[in-house]
Amino acid sequence: AQKVTQAQTEISVVEKEDVTLDCVYETRDTTYYLFWYKQPPSGELVFLIRRNSFDEQNEISGRYSWNFQKSTSSFNFTITASQVVDSAVYFCALSEAGNNRKLIWGLGTSLAVNP
Amino acid sequence: NAGVMQNPRHLVRRRGQEARLRCSPMKGHSHVYWYRQLPEEGLKFMVYLQKENIIDESGMPKERFSAEFPKEGPSILRIQQVVRGDSAAYFCASSRDQGAKNIQYFGAGTRLSVL
Repeated sequence: AQKVTQAQTEISVVEKEDVTLDCVYETRDTTYYLFWYKQPPSGELVFLIRRNSFDEQNEISGRYSWNFQKSTSSFNFTITASQVVDSAVYFCALSEAGNNRKLIWGLGTSLAVNP
Repeated sequence: NAGVMQNPRHLVRRRGQEARLRCSPMKGHSHVYWYRQLPEEGLKFMVYLQKENIIDESGMPKERFSAEFPKEGPSILRIQQVVRGDSAAYFCASSRDQGAKNIQYFGAGTRLSVL
């Protein structure tokens, strides 16, 4: 069965701290895709990154970085030098090639970055 | 270069009324997905449509809910005889092509409140 687990419900940090959001997934497919989305207080869902199951390279985009490890079925997200504008709910999601492309979501991690 | 457009942003209905939620996909996108975000439950897939076809409705409640994506015009999610439990945020996403790898871009959501 497919499942995405984000064990951290809420995280609170002080500005400029680094923070890592954990994501663990379960799937039987060998071909799948992992995503992170951001939901700021305004409520929209903003796409951040997509990773396919055959590409384990870590990715960095500015202050954001992602660590994909198939051996532990994890796709963790790190924000370096956090800022107040990073305060949001972050969702990890899974899409399987054999499952009609629907996204299976974790419950999200609410990140509060305090000044 | 408009993104996914959902309207209305907020919708208030009394129990027993009908709710119609609209979604216009991004230009060039012919695949539409609907998700529901309930408090404490996270985002759940409801239905996946292509133009004039329902591809996967495995997440739709069997009664009162229907969706369409006509040849012309927006996709519509229709909820008949709403009940309080239907209160949620409903998100629409679109993608360009088939395939799990394709990124789903989301609208800002419609927040339905049932009184």
